[in-house]
Amino acid sequence: NAGVTQTPKFRILKIGQSMTLQCTQDMNHNYMYWYRQDPGMGLKLIYYSVGAGITDKGEVPNGYNVSRSTTEDFPLRLELAAPSQTSVYFCASSSGQGITDTQYFGPGTRLTVL
Amino acid sequence: GENVEQHPSTLSVQEGDSAVIKCTYSDSASNYFPWYKQELGKRPQLIIDIRSNVGEKKDQRIAVTLNKTAKHFSLHITETQPEDSAVYFCAASRQGGSARQLTFGSGTQLTVLP
Repeated sequence: NAGVTQTPKFRILKIGQSMTLQCTQDMNHNYMYWYRQDPGMGLKLIYYSVGAGITDKGEVPNGYNVSRSTTEDFPLRLELAAPSQTSVYFCASSSGQGITDTQYFGPGTRLTVL
Repeated sequence: GENVEQHPSTLSVQEGDSAVIKCTYSDSASNYFPWYKQELGKRPQLIIDIRSNVGEKKDQRIAVTLNKTAKHFSLHITETQPEDSAVYFCAASRQGGSARQLTFGSGTQLTVLP
């Protein structure tokens, strides 16, 4: 299993541009998450999904959109990129079962908005 | 919402010594507390976790303790090695109506000096 994969690894955007960060998992996990990690900080939850067709906002959803049309994929859309969105973005997935329900992270996408 | 505070932000120890990282949380309903290790430029990886019905858990050189009354939990690493150098994040969450939402601390940069 590849686990959680993300593309691209790096991206530079100009202010006002849009892009989609891709996330795919092959563990048949029901739950998927998007986090952002600013320099020297912990991870903050942007959006999450408990299954295909179901998404919900996390702590910092403004400026982002998500969709979940399949169990495997959970893309994150940035509209009208702003410098404040410069960050490392991590996708994660979990089975959604049990009290511990470990979250497994992808390798991250480093985004710079200039 | 949940708030997690983590101390210290940086920690240097001599190889072979012990390291202790402490976290406090605000939501008394939180019942799951994972610890993640993140090496430079890599994804966060779960190293140990504890549920609220357990006071201590060990895994080789790593242990976590939980004090529900005081709402704090700690990571203990014994016999530290250079490969333990990384950023460590604590997190807290409770099982709500949907996906388990993790709230992360701001991280501790651990440096093990040879």
